[in-house]
Amino acid sequence: AQSVTQPDIHITVSEGASLELRCNYSYGATPYLFWYVQSPGQGLQLLLKYFSGDTLVQGIKGFEAEFKRSQSSFNLRKPSVHWSDAAEYFCAVALYKLSFGAGTTVTVRA
Amino acid sequence: DTAVSQTPKYLVTQMGNDKSIKCEQNLGHDTMYWYKQDSKKFLKIMFSYNNKELIINETVPNRFSPKSPDKAHLNLHINSLELGDSAVYFCASSQASVDTGELFFGEGSRLTVL
Repeated sequence: AQSVTQPDIHITVSEGASLELRCNYSYGATPYLFWYVQSPGQGLQLLLKYFSGDTLVQGIKGFEAEFKRSQSSFNLRKPSVHWSDAAEYFCAVALYKLSFGAGTTVTVRA
Repeated sequence: DTAVSQTPKYLVTQMGNDKSIKCEQNLGHDTMYWYKQDSKKFLKIMFSYNNKELIINETVPNRFSPKSPDKAHLNLHINSLELGDSAVYFCASSQASVDTGELFFGEGSRLTVL
Protein backbone atom coordinates (compact mmCIF):
# COMPACT_ATOMS: atom_id res chain seq x y z
CA ALA A 1 0.00 0.00 0.00
CA GLN A 2 1.17 3.52 -0.75
CA SER A 3 2.03 5.54 2.34
CA VAL A 4 4.04 8.40 3.72
CA THR A 5 5.38 8.11 7.25
CA GLN A 6 6.71 10.68 9.65
CA PRO A 7 8.12 8.62 12.52
CA ASP A 8 8.44 11.50 14.99
CA ILE A 9 5.19 12.85 16.40
CA HIS A 10 6.80 15.58 18.48
CA ILE A 11 10.31 17.05 18.58
CA THR A 12 11.59 19.62 21.05
CA VAL A 13 14.70 21.55 20.11
CA SER A 14 16.57 24.45 21.68
CA GLU A 15 16.77 27.72 19.85
CA GLY A 16 19.94 27.80 17.81
CA ALA A 17 20.26 24.03 17.67
CA SER A 18 19.92 21.99 14.50
CA LEU A 19 16.72 20.25 13.49
CA GLU A 20 16.08 17.16 11.41
CA LEU A 21 12.62 15.81 10.62
CA ARG A 22 12.25 12.39 9.09
CA CYS A 23 10.00 11.32 6.26
CA ASN A 24 9.75 7.92 4.56
CA TYR A 25 7.50 6.92 1.71
CA SER A 26 6.34 3.67 0.24
CA TYR A 27 5.33 3.96 -3.40
CA GLY A 28 5.90 1.88 -6.49
CA ALA A 29 7.65 4.73 -8.26
CA THR A 30 9.46 7.80 -6.98
CA PRO A 31 6.76 10.36 -6.31
CA TYR A 32 7.13 14.09 -6.17
CA LEU A 33 8.09 15.06 -2.61
CA PHE A 34 7.19 18.08 -0.55
CA TRP A 35 7.54 19.58 2.89
CA TYR A 36 4.86 21.94 4.18
CA VAL A 37 4.75 23.95 7.40
CA GLN A 38 1.65 24.91 9.34
CA SER A 39 2.04 27.67 11.92
CA PRO A 40 -0.57 27.77 14.70
CA GLY A 41 -3.98 28.81 13.39
CA GLN A 42 -2.72 29.08 9.82
CA GLY A 43 -2.96 27.19 6.59
CA LEU A 44 -0.09 25.19 5.16
CA GLN A 45 2.82 26.79 3.35
CA LEU A 46 5.20 25.00 1.02
CA LEU A 47 8.78 24.92 2.33
CA LEU A 48 10.39 23.00 -0.53
CA LYS A 49 9.81 20.35 -3.16
CA TYR A 50 11.71 17.66 -5.04
CA PHE A 51 10.80 16.55 -8.52
CA SER A 52 14.10 15.35 -9.96
CA GLY A 53 17.76 16.30 -10.28
CA ASP A 54 19.95 17.39 -7.38
CA THR A 55 18.95 15.35 -4.35
CA LEU A 56 19.65 18.20 -1.92
CA VAL A 57 17.01 20.89 -2.28
CA GLN A 58 16.92 24.29 -0.68
CA GLY A 59 13.73 25.87 0.52
CA ILE A 60 12.43 28.95 2.20
CA LYS A 61 13.19 30.01 5.79
CA GLY A 62 16.62 28.35 5.71
CA PHE A 63 15.32 24.78 5.33
CA GLU A 64 16.79 22.08 3.13
CA ALA A 65 15.88 18.48 2.44
CA GLU A 66 17.72 15.51 1.04
CA PHE A 67 16.16 12.84 -1.12
CA LYS A 68 17.67 9.37 -0.67
CA ARG A 69 16.22 6.90 -3.14
CA SER A 70 17.86 3.88 -1.49
CA GLN A 71 16.18 4.71 1.81
CA SER A 72 12.92 6.06 0.35
CA SER A 73 13.45 9.08 2.54
CA PHE A 74 13.12 12.83 2.23
CA ASN A 75 14.37 14.31 5.50
CA LEU A 76 14.07 17.99 6.32
CA ARG A 77 16.87 19.88 8.05
CA LYS A 78 17.66 23.30 9.40
CA PRO A 79 21.11 24.13 10.84
CA SER A 80 19.97 26.66 13.44
CA VAL A 81 16.38 26.85 14.64
CA HIS A 82 14.62 30.09 15.50
CA TRP A 83 11.69 30.38 17.92
CA SER A 84 9.44 31.19 14.97
CA ASP A 85 10.09 27.70 13.56
CA ALA A 86 7.76 26.22 16.17
CA ALA A 87 5.02 24.71 14.03
CA GLU A 88 3.58 21.54 12.55
CA TYR A 89 5.59 20.08 9.67
CA PHE A 90 4.07 17.84 7.04
CA CYS A 91 5.83 15.68 4.53
CA ALA A 92 3.75 15.06 1.43
CA VAL A 93 4.08 12.90 -1.64
CA ALA A 94 2.33 13.26 -4.97
CA LEU A 95 1.63 10.47 -7.40
CA TYR A 96 -1.63 11.45 -9.15
CA LYS A 97 -2.76 13.05 -5.89
CA LEU A 98 -1.10 14.70 -2.90
CA SER A 99 -1.00 12.65 0.31
CA PHE A 100 0.26 13.98 3.61
CA GLY A 101 2.09 12.34 6.45
CA ALA A 102 0.67 12.61 9.95
CA GLY A 103 2.87 15.59 10.78
CA THR A 104 5.60 16.37 13.30
CA THR A 105 5.06 19.03 15.94
CA VAL A 106 8.20 21.08 16.57
CA THR A 107 8.54 22.91 19.87
CA VAL A 108 11.39 25.39 20.29
CA ARG A 109 12.64 26.11 23.77
CA ALA A 110 14.56 29.25 24.65
CA ASP B 1 -4.44 40.57 -1.07
CA THR B 2 -5.16 37.11 0.33
CA ALA B 3 -4.43 34.48 -2.33
CA VAL B 4 -6.84 31.82 -1.05
CA SER B 5 -9.58 33.05 1.24
CA GLN B 6 -12.20 31.04 3.07
CA THR B 7 -15.29 32.13 4.94
CA PRO B 8 -16.29 31.73 7.63
CA LYS B 9 -13.17 31.14 9.69
CA TYR B 10 -15.17 29.68 12.57
CA LEU B 11 -18.48 27.86 12.50
CA VAL B 12 -20.33 26.46 15.51
CA THR B 13 -23.58 24.66 14.85
CA GLN B 14 -25.91 21.94 16.07
CA MET B 15 -26.12 18.39 14.82
CA GLY B 16 -28.51 17.99 11.94
CA ASN B 17 -28.02 21.51 10.58
CA ASP B 18 -26.80 22.37 7.09
CA LYS B 19 -23.85 24.70 6.58
CA SER B 20 -21.65 26.03 3.80
CA ILE B 21 -18.05 27.15 3.57
CA LYS B 22 -16.94 29.38 0.74
CA CYS B 23 -13.54 29.60 -0.91
CA GLU B 24 -12.09 32.00 -3.44
CA GLN B 25 -8.65 32.17 -5.01
CA ASN B 26 -7.19 35.12 -6.90
CA LEU B 27 -4.11 33.31 -8.21
CA GLY B 28 -5.60 32.38 -11.56
CA HIS B 29 -5.14 28.69 -10.76
CA ASP B 30 -7.05 25.99 -12.59
CA THR B 31 -7.38 23.48 -9.75
CA MET B 32 -8.99 23.82 -6.33
CA TYR B 33 -9.28 21.41 -3.42
CA TRP B 34 -10.98 20.76 -0.14
CA TYR B 35 -8.99 19.07 2.61
CA LYS B 36 -10.21 17.99 6.04
CA GLN B 37 -7.86 18.17 9.05
CA ASP B 38 -9.03 16.19 12.04
CA SER B 39 -8.26 16.72 15.71
CA LYS B 40 -5.00 14.78 15.36
CA LYS B 41 -3.97 17.16 12.56
CA PHE B 42 -4.21 14.45 9.91
CA LEU B 43 -4.93 15.97 6.51
CA LYS B 44 -7.07 14.16 4.00
CA ILE B 45 -8.17 15.29 0.59
CA MET B 46 -11.90 15.39 0.04
CA PHE B 47 -12.44 16.89 -3.40
CA SER B 48 -10.54 18.38 -6.27
CA TYR B 49 -11.91 20.47 -9.12
CA ASN B 50 -10.13 21.43 -12.31
CA ASN B 51 -11.75 24.23 -14.28
CA LYS B 52 -15.10 23.65 -12.56
CA GLU B 53 -14.97 19.92 -13.22
CA LEU B 54 -14.81 17.38 -10.38
CA ILE B 55 -11.67 15.25 -10.72
CA ILE B 56 -11.13 13.79 -7.25
CA ASN B 57 -13.87 12.60 -4.92
CA GLU B 58 -12.40 10.66 -2.05
CA THR B 59 -14.98 8.40 -0.37
CA VAL B 60 -16.67 11.34 1.24
CA PRO B 61 -20.27 10.92 2.49
CA ASN B 62 -22.75 12.37 0.03
CA ARG B 63 -23.85 14.81 2.75
CA PHE B 64 -20.84 16.78 1.51
CA SER B 65 -21.44 18.51 -1.80
CA PRO B 66 -18.84 20.74 -3.42
CA LYS B 67 -19.82 23.32 -5.99
CA SER B 68 -17.59 25.30 -8.29
CA PRO B 69 -19.46 28.13 -10.00
CA ASP B 70 -16.26 29.23 -11.74
CA LYS B 71 -12.62 28.27 -11.53
CA ALA B 72 -11.88 30.89 -8.88
CA HIS B 73 -14.50 29.60 -6.45
CA LEU B 74 -15.09 26.29 -4.73
CA ASN B 75 -17.75 26.04 -2.06
CA LEU B 76 -18.50 23.17 0.29
CA HIS B 77 -22.01 22.49 1.50
CA ILE B 78 -22.60 20.00 4.28
CA ASN B 79 -26.06 18.58 5.02
CA SER B 80 -27.27 16.97 8.24
CA LEU B 81 -24.13 17.73 10.19
CA GLU B 82 -22.77 15.05 12.51
CA LEU B 83 -20.41 15.26 15.48
CA GLY B 84 -17.68 13.59 13.44
CA ASP B 85 -17.76 16.43 10.94
CA SER B 86 -16.05 18.67 13.50
CA ALA B 87 -12.69 19.51 11.95
CA VAL B 88 -10.77 22.24 10.20
CA TYR B 89 -11.56 22.40 6.50
CA PHE B 90 -8.89 23.81 4.21
CA CYS B 91 -9.38 25.08 0.73
CA ALA B 92 -6.34 25.06 -1.56
CA SER B 93 -5.50 25.80 -5.16
CA SER B 94 -2.76 24.87 -7.61
CA GLN B 95 -1.80 25.64 -11.17
CA ALA B 96 -1.23 22.01 -12.10
CA SER B 97 -4.15 20.04 -13.47
CA VAL B 98 -3.10 16.94 -11.60
CA ASP B 99 -2.07 16.95 -8.00
CA THR B 100 1.66 17.22 -8.56
CA GLY B 101 2.20 20.89 -8.06
CA GLU B 102 2.52 23.34 -5.25
CA LEU B 103 -0.66 23.94 -3.32
CA PHE B 104 -1.63 27.29 -1.85
CA PHE B 105 -3.79 26.91 1.22
CA GLY B 106 -6.37 29.12 2.82
CA GLU B 107 -6.29 29.70 6.56
CA GLY B 108 -8.92 27.10 7.26
CA SER B 109 -12.49 27.03 8.52
CA ARG B 110 -12.92 25.46 11.93
CA LEU B 111 -16.26 23.67 12.13
CA THR B 112 -17.57 22.61 15.54
CA VAL B 113 -20.70 20.48 15.65
CA LEU B 114 -22.43 20.31 19.03
